[in-house]
Amino acid sequence: EVQLVESGGGLVQPGGSLRLSCVASGFTFSNSWMHWVRQVPGKGLMFISRINGGGSSADYADSVKGRFTISRDNAKNTLYLQMNNLRAEDTAVYYCVGGLAPHLYNWFDPWGQGTLVTVSS
Amino acid sequence: DVQMTQSPSSVTASVGDSVTITCQASQGIRTWLAWYQQRPGKAPKLLIHTTSTLQSGVPPRFSGSGSGTEFTLTISSLQPEDSAIYYCQQANNFPVTFGQGTRLEIK
Repeated sequence: EVQLVESGGGLVQPGGSLRLSCVASGFTFSNSWMHWVRQVPGKGLMFISRINGGGSSADYADSVKGRFTISRDNAKNTLYLQMNNLRAEDTAVYYCVGGLAPHLYNWFDPWGQGTLVTVSS
Repeated sequence: DVQMTQSPSSVTASVGDSVTITCQASQGIRTWLAWYQQRPGKAPKLLIHTTSTLQSGVPPRFSGSGSGTEFTLTISSLQPEDSAIYYCQQANNFPVTFGQGTRLEIK
């Protein structure tokens, strides 16, 4: 069974840091582009970051560039998102998402269950 | 960024009806468009990619069409489980962007 399980969300103060993790199973993780997508509760979806299968190429949305870092450990089938200098507007559910296929990596499937990050004092 | 605008914002229909949701891109995206379904409290689920390619396991009641800037998702023979929010997403330009969502209620 294909599965993505996120962890690491929680309450953090503005300016603080948090690291999200996502453990993958049921597919060849090291061949897959992986993404982080967030959703403010009750609102729409927003792309945050992506990383290629080998971890050598990463991209970010402008709103998080310089503050967030995506990385992966293929030996552990795990994707990470290091979030620094967090702001109230970063409050959202963060989804770990796989690219559908190596040549279809911008279609998002599978999705994790999401982890809620709340930035508040 | 490419802006994706969906219409309507919400729609109510009955079991057995058909509904069509429209997604308009602010610039041409060829056929690089996907549709997702998000049920309450759940993660989104990929329904259709590359405008009209049905994802594995998705019922053929779902269909997509369009190209350039105008796209549609049609759901025929509506079922109660189709009650959800539907999002379009473009992948022609970085960053990928999503529409604001269309809420479908089944009465």
